[in-house]
Amino acid sequence: DAGVIQSPRHEVTEMGQEVTLRCKPISGHNSLFWYRQTMMRGLELLIYFNNNVPIDDSGMPEDRFSAKMPNASFSTLKIQPSEPRDSAVYFCASRPPSGGTMSGTQYFGPGTRLTVL
Amino acid sequence: AQKITQTQPGMFVQEKEAVTLDCTYDTSDPSYGLFWYKQPSSGEMIFLIYQGSYDQQNATEGRYSLNFQKARKSANLVISASQLGDSAMYFCAMREGYQGGKLIFGQGTELSVKP
Repeated sequence: DAGVIQSPRHEVTEMGQEVTLRCKPISGHNSLFWYRQTMMRGLELLIYFNNNVPIDDSGMPEDRFSAKMPNASFSTLKIQPSEPRDSAVYFCASRPPSGGTMSGTQYFGPGTRLTVL
Repeated sequence: AQKITQTQPGMFVQEKEAVTLDCTYDTSDPSYGLFWYKQPSSGEMIFLIYQGSYDQQNATEGRYSLNFQKARKSANLVISASQLGDSAMYFCAMREGYQGGKLIFGQGTELSVKP
């Protein structure tokens, strides 16, 4: 079975440009999470969706960041305009529906390494 | 307040030896989950093991086991018979509530396995 798919794997852009990161969760999973990893702040949640509905976006840094989940198999994280401090690895993770012996386990995609010059 | 603490920034272990990576947590929620993830140099986050707060027995997955001491709020990862491929960053994480939302991660421990 395919895991979480993220694209692009690497993105280099210039300050002020729009960046769009994409994620396809594992089929059948109904929760999707966007995390950001930096050396300074470690791994932190940006936003998560349950059944395509945003539940917690308190981690979104500012209005420059937006996320959408138009259907159960696709999500985007957009940064507009991008800034050098946005440089990080962005992970998408998905989680199966509630219940089961490992309730709440999140499965991560390979990440997108974003560099903003 | 930091809810997940990993006090060992780096650890060394000899190949074939066992190693324990420390993790302590803080929560007032009686229902929670504890997770360990491995992040090799290639960057992906690999789920290793899960322990629920109501689980009576310590979780085990192959060479990985979780030493869960609820009263001490610790959830240490034990890797038996270390292999060179175990060299990586290891993150402890917690989910509050039965399902909860986000995972709260520790700062990680970098494990190096020596031949």
